[in-house]
Order: sequence, then C-alpha cells, then structure tokens
Amino acid sequence: QSVLTQPPSVSAAPGQMVTISCSGGSSNIENNYVSWYQQLPGTAPKLLVYDNNKRPSGIPDRFSGSKSGTSATLAITGLQTGDEADYFCGTWDSRLTTGVFGGGTKLTVL
Amino acid sequence: EVQLVQSGVEVKKPGDSLRISCKASGYTFTTNGIAWLRQVPGKGLDWLGVIFPRNSDARYSPSFRGQVAISVDKSISTAYLQWGSLKASDSAIYYCARRASSGTWDYWGQGTMVTVS
Repeated sequence: QSVLTQPPSVSAAPGQMVTISCSGGSSNIENNYVSWYQQLPGTAPKLLVYDNNKRPSGIPDRFSGSKSGTSATLAITGLQTGDEADYFCGTWDSRLTTGVFGGGTKLTVL
Repeated sequence: EVQLVQSGVEVKKPGDSLRISCKASGYTFTTNGIAWLRQVPGKGLDWLGVIFPRNSDARYSPSFRGQVAISVDKSISTAYLQWGSLKASDSAIYYCARRASSGTWDYWGQGTMVTVS
C-alpha cells in the first residue's frame, strides 16, 4: 500500500491532454515539494518535474506539474505514443522520515 | 554528464549475504546524497534510505532499518547496499538515485535485479 495515491491507469488519444493526480496528506505533499517520474518499459525512472512545477533541462514543456493542498497533478499535453509509460509522484514524508511515492499510473495513448 | 552505474544481476539463495554497488561520475561525489530504492516489477517504488558521502551519514526508512546497510567509499565514488541474510521477499529491482533535495532524486542508476530463490 503506497503512502501517496494515484489512479492505476489513464488513457487518451494522440494529441490530447491527460492529467494524473497524486493524493497525500499534511505530512507529505502539503508541506514538502513534489516530484514526478516517467518510467518507460524496462528502464529506470526519469525525473520529469521537481519542486512541484519545475522541469529539468531537456524535459519538454508538454509536461507540467502543480500542487494544491494535499494533492498534486501532472499534466501532459500533445500526447505522443512515446509517452506511454508508468508515471510516479514522490515527495518526502516528515512524519515517517522517509521518501514516499505513489503506486504509479500507467498511461496508454490510444 | 552525471551517471550512476550499478552492478549486475544477482541470483542468490535464502540466507546468503549480498552487496550491490552504484558508481557515480560526472559530478563531485560528496555534494549530493545517494538514495537506494526498491521496485518489485509491476509495482511501485519503496525508499530504503540515503547516505551522504561527505560524512558517510546513512539514514534509513523505518521499514528497512536493520534489514539493509548502506555504505560508501568516497575514494572510488561508489555507494553500496548490503544484506546480511537474504529472504525471498528481497527479490526486486534495486535502484540508486542521486538526491537533489529531500523529495527529489534527479539521476538514477540502471537498476540491479536481485533474485532470491
């Protein structure tokens, strides 16, 4: 059972937009920065968004993050077939004193 | 270019000991912590702990404290994850990742698959 809650799967057509939610609590998301990771099949996770809404260099602006209260959201616009992957949210939990993640959301581009 | 290169696939028996490694390059090793994470294929990510190479201070998730040990050799820019007695439930892919801040891991190793059977 993951500390952060994500939907197991989302889907949308190429060119469309999709959002992935990540729900937590006051000890994690509400009072700490959230990061998002993309895991393509058979590969290691890759950082997409950090500090709630910042992108590392090289990450397209089609990927954006936001946070409000105890929830965070990853939005992906202009979907491409190459975006099919698992997406994880992560943050620090000040009560557990550990990094915590969502269970992951599988994106299918129909 | 920042790179984390992990050691290869391991197949062990219950009760065996094991140490896997993560060699960093492309940055000053003592500047950032190195975290270890676990992923059972098809499942989510578990955070095991982090080590700060500057002073070898290791912090563990309460769920994994006493189950694994994290260490570092600054002279070769390498972090380690070690088990004293493996269990079948330790079978997973283990990733090392560079800590950018408390909730951000910005570069990841390629993963080490550990099978205990």
